[in-house]
Amino acid sequence: EVQLVESGGGVVRPGGSLRLSCAASGFIFDDYAMSWVRQVPGKGLEWVSDVNWSGDNTAYADSVQGRFTVSRDNADNSLSLQMNSLRAEDTALYYCARQMRDCNRISCFTVYAFDMWGQGTMVSVSS
Amino acid sequence: QSALTQPASVSGSPGQSITISCTGTSSDIGSTNLVSWYQQLPGKAPKLLIYEVTKRPSGVSHRFSGSKSGNTASLTISGLQPEDEVDYYCCSYEGSSSSPFVFGTGTRVTVL
Repeated sequence: EVQLVESGGGVVRPGGSLRLSCAASGFIFDDYAMSWVRQVPGKGLEWVSDVNWSGDNTAYADSVQGRFTVSRDNADNSLSLQMNSLRAEDTALYYCARQMRDCNRISCFTVYAFDMWGQGTMVSVSS
Repeated sequence: QSALTQPASVSGSPGQSITISCTGTSSDIGSTNLVSWYQQLPGKAPKLLIYEVTKRPSGVSHRFSGSKSGNTASLTISGLQPEDEVDYYCCSYEGSSSSPFVFGTGTRVTVL
């Protein structure tokens, strides 16, 4: 089955750390760039971070730059998000998402849209 | 990077067509064709409806269509159905920005 399954969420105090994981299955993981997107319950979506297929190119939202680190293990088909110095405003449901690829007759390429999502893992930062 | 602006709610009667706007700036929507739209049912992860402004992924109903003019992208839902009464988000990608993906504020569609 083609799916993404997040884990690692929980309750943590401000200033604490948490590591989220996303297990991918049913597709060739290292063909795809991957992202983390979060959503405060009842609110909108916010892009957090992404990593290219090989793991050597990453990007972060300004709100998490310097505190969060994204990584991937293609041998294990997994994506991770290390979250340090957590703040109350980081409280959200964190989704792992796959960046869509489209193909023509010559090659395949990322089209910068999210075509597969996990079910999310909840992170609550509270004292 | 500020969120893209969407109307909080849009409504229509069954069978009608409605359009959801997504307004940005010349630094995001105005400078890219990498605009996507998502549908989110309550308690569920978002689902991709449209990518690259107008393209539909396999399996997405032809009732959903996308367009763009200047700094505003739009999602049109034709033949409105009761199951369309959920939340919709736009998203743009601009690679030169420090935060390349920006989502819209979200729109709740109501079927009257």
